[in-house]
Amino acid sequence: RKEVEQDPGPFNVPEGATVAFNCTYSNSASQSFFWYRQDCRKEPKLLMSVYSSGNEDGRFTAQLNRASQYISLLIRDSKLSDSATYLCVVKGNFNKFYFGSGTKLNVKP
Amino acid sequence: NAGVTQTPKFQVLKTGQSMTLQCAQDMNHNSMYWYRQDPGMGLRLIYYSASEGTTDKGEVPNGYNVSRLNKREFSLRLESAAPSQTSVYFCASSELRAGPYNEQFFGPGTRLTVL
Repeated sequence: RKEVEQDPGPFNVPEGATVAFNCTYSNSASQSFFWYRQDCRKEPKLLMSVYSSGNEDGRFTAQLNRASQYISLLIRDSKLSDSATYLCVVKGNFNKFYFGSGTKLNVKP
Repeated sequence: NAGVTQTPKFQVLKTGQSMTLQCAQDMNHNSMYWYRQDPGMGLRLIYYSASEGTTDKGEVPNGYNVSRLNKREFSLRLESAAPSQTSVYFCASSELRAGPYNEQFFGPGTRLTVL
């Protein structure tokens, strides 16, 4: 079983839509969680860390459910510029990071 | 600050040739990593170095070697390149401490083609 699993998508949504991504992780002892964004042929960049109480950054909201071992990302009022692949990342022991395979988002005019 | 830098950006090799991918970070991070990413796939960890002086295998280490030259630099060597090693290689670094703040920072990647 993979450490981190995500729906690969693609999610095709119109501008202005709200879209949600989920991912699940297998190691219940994991302590740190992140969402990264990756544009085509570019390096991944941190979108936001995920705090235990949930956190919001503008149009983006991240939630953590430790009991069910899943993390979510909600994007409100989607923009064309949000089109990218979103990577769910979980930090495990020995400072190792585990990446989901990514969820592709296409925002259409 | 340059962050994480990688050289070269592009490389074409013939089967059996060797090469070293260079990575350096100027953020004084303890941990450094090498990943490969193939089309339609996620990042797969090749090797990592939790702190200076240590290296460990990741998910796909076969055909690669690494050297943690000092705290700043972490190189990846392909001794005898194979077409299966055609990929985009990313180097990353992070601080060695717990908490939601110590994310990974990535270099721009090296696009390697093995003919």
